[in-house]
Amino acid sequence: TQLLEQSPQFLSIQEGENLTVYCNSSSVFSSLQWYRQEPGEGPVLLVTVVTGGEVKKLKRLTFQFGDARKDSSLHITAAQPGDTGLYLCAGAMSGGSNYKLTFGKGTLLTVNP
Amino acid sequence: AAGVIQSPRHLIKEKRETATLKCYPIPRHDTVYWYQQGPGQDPQFLISFYEKMQSDKGSIPDRFSAQQFSDYHSELNMSSLELGDSALYFCASSWGLGSYNEQFFGPGTRLTVL
Repeated sequence: TQLLEQSPQFLSIQEGENLTVYCNSSSVFSSLQWYRQEPGEGPVLLVTVVTGGEVKKLKRLTFQFGDARKDSSLHITAAQPGDTGLYLCAGAMSGGSNYKLTFGKGTLLTVNP
Repeated sequence: AAGVIQSPRHLIKEKRETATLKCYPIPRHDTVYWYQQGPGQDPQFLISFYEKMQSDKGSIPDRFSAQQFSDYHSELNMSSLELGDSALYFCASSWGLGSYNEQFFGPGTRLTVL
């Protein structure tokens, strides 16, 4: 059972379009991190959200943490070919010694010129 | 800015051989995490260390062991390698141990077991 469900799994869009990637769970997370990963490379941290309802913007990327800290979304405005890549959400659980990150399966985004 | 360094970047081994992967965290980071990512899979947590002590353990086989040294670098030792161990192995580091602490990943070591 996947603790973090990411959707869609694959997304192919044209340059200039907008898109939203979702990360959902029935569990509460202390924090949620979004990464972007290129083939054969390590995940690169984009943002960390820790407060329910928090919204963070990074240029054309907008990240939101759900009020109950169980879900998150990534919205990209006017996508560009350089945005192509695998986007991963990863959460750290509340309580105990659960500092490990639990990852979603990822969303493979392709932006066509 | 300095990033997490992993070596080697690529490693080819035969079945039943041993392998040692090294990780050098970002300067002043005291926590190291190891993850395994199979082909087309998301990274799976193996083990973590904080101030040279094991802090958490995930789905790490008994054939694998790891430690963190006084300079905070970490090594993942893998013995009796199996074909299924072929994967990307990532090390991540953070400052402090906590669910709010951001983890920064290295470029990974691609292990191929023949």
